Amino acid sequence: QKEVEQNSGPLSVPEGAIASLNCTYSDRGSQSFFWYRQYSGKSPELIMSIYSNGDKEDGRFTAQLNKASQYVSLLIRDSQPSDSATYLCAVNDAGNNRKLIWGLGTSLAVNP
Amino acid sequence: DAGITQSPRYKITETGRQVTLMCHQTWSHSYMFWYRQDLGHGLRLIYYSAAADITDKGEVPDGYVVSRSKTENFPLTLESATRSQTSVYFCASRETSGGLGAFDEQFFGPGTRLTVL
Repeated sequence: QKEVEQNSGPLSVPEGAIASLNCTYSDRGSQSFFWYRQYSGKSPELIMSIYSNGDKEDGRFTAQLNKASQYVSLLIRDSQPSDSATYLCAVNDAGNNRKLIWGLGTSLAVNP
Repeated sequence: DAGITQSPRYKITETGRQVTLMCHQTWSHSYMFWYRQDLGHGLRLIYYSAAADITDKGEVPDGYVVSRSKTENFPLTLESATRSQTSVYFCASRETSGGLGAFDEQFFGPGTRLTVL
């Protein structure tokens, strides 16, 4: 069974701090990794994608990928209350590249 | 409007009734997906489609039927609704990729909240 595991949280950080969200995956052949943000009652929204080992930065967001450890993380710098949401990690199914394998999500609360 | 739309946004029905959830995308994406999202289970794939007239089962297909006669539409039908099908349903789409990499991102519609009484 291919799995993506995330700490369900809630992760609580003060405004202005760095939030660190982590994800591990079991499919060693996965090549594409995504972070989605989902506000309560809304649909998932893609915020970061990463395909190569190392860091990828986009504004206040940094995705980090370590394929050897099968680990992907998302750092949110200068966290804002508007970042409070559930963050979903997804990786491609190497056996069927048309599908993604989804984690259950980590709930983040940024406290003013 | 560009993007993915779903209708209805909210639906209440009774056990045993047939219900069809609509999904329409304007990007001409090849792939379309239906997910359900429930507390404790996350997003679970019901069916997906690689192109018009090509559909495949996902993780939880039982009790659902799909069709895709046109690239832009991907309706999901619950043939005889059950209480266990109460959920939030998301449609998603993505472009065709030549292989692994940049075109795997899926983009989601706003969702349909379905309640089966």
